[in-house]
Amino acid sequence: SQQGEEDPQALSIQEGENATMNCSYKTSINNLQWYRQNSGRGLVHLILIRSNEREKHSGRLRVTLDTSKKSSSLLITASRAADTASYFCATDPKAAGNKLTFGGGTRVLVKP
Amino acid sequence: DVKVTQSSRYLVKRTGEKVFLECVQDMDHENMFWYRQDPGLGLRLIYFSYDVKMKEKGDIPEGYSVSREKKERFSLILESASTNQTSMYLCASSQQGYTGELFFGEGSRLTVL
Repeated sequence: SQQGEEDPQALSIQEGENATMNCSYKTSINNLQWYRQNSGRGLVHLILIRSNEREKHSGRLRVTLDTSKKSSSLLITASRAADTASYFCATDPKAAGNKLTFGGGTRVLVKP
Repeated sequence: DVKVTQSSRYLVKRTGEKVFLECVQDMDHENMFWYRQDPGLGLRLIYFSYDVKMKEKGDIPEGYSVSREKKERFSLILESASTNQTSMYLCASSQQGYTGELFFGEGSRLTVL
């Protein structure tokens, strides 16, 4: 089964609203990353948060990490139509070497 | 700009055919990866490589093999394609000894009839 699982599977919001999605994982990690994928394209790295960090910001993105609950959240503030994409969390399990394990993704639709 | 290039965006093959998917990166990265992506299942790791001529099985290696003769090139081979290998295939690379950012190609959508 997947190490990381996103919730919700799909999200529809109006432009200007905030979008929040969550990622839960099962085993201890070194770091957790979020990626974006536009339809039919490759994934693009958004942000990496290490296991000893609790919160990280990058532009309109805010990521939190709670290692006690084995969960992370990605918040996109003031969403734009261009934020329409699928968002994936990826974990670097401590026992797995240099491999990332991806969740199933959250599909975000931002309506203009 | 860093770049990972996959040779074919779309391929249609017949059952039993041999399929080669090529991936080239220009960042001098040691690590290269092949994932397949299916709806609802996320990305699943097929094979990865830490160095030239090195390969390691990922989570779903059955039915696939790989080749890494040069540092910049990592090929995925389907010896005898089957319909359940219809999928989007994504190649990625990263720096040595560092599970950090992966750089992905645009993907190769394979249909096996």
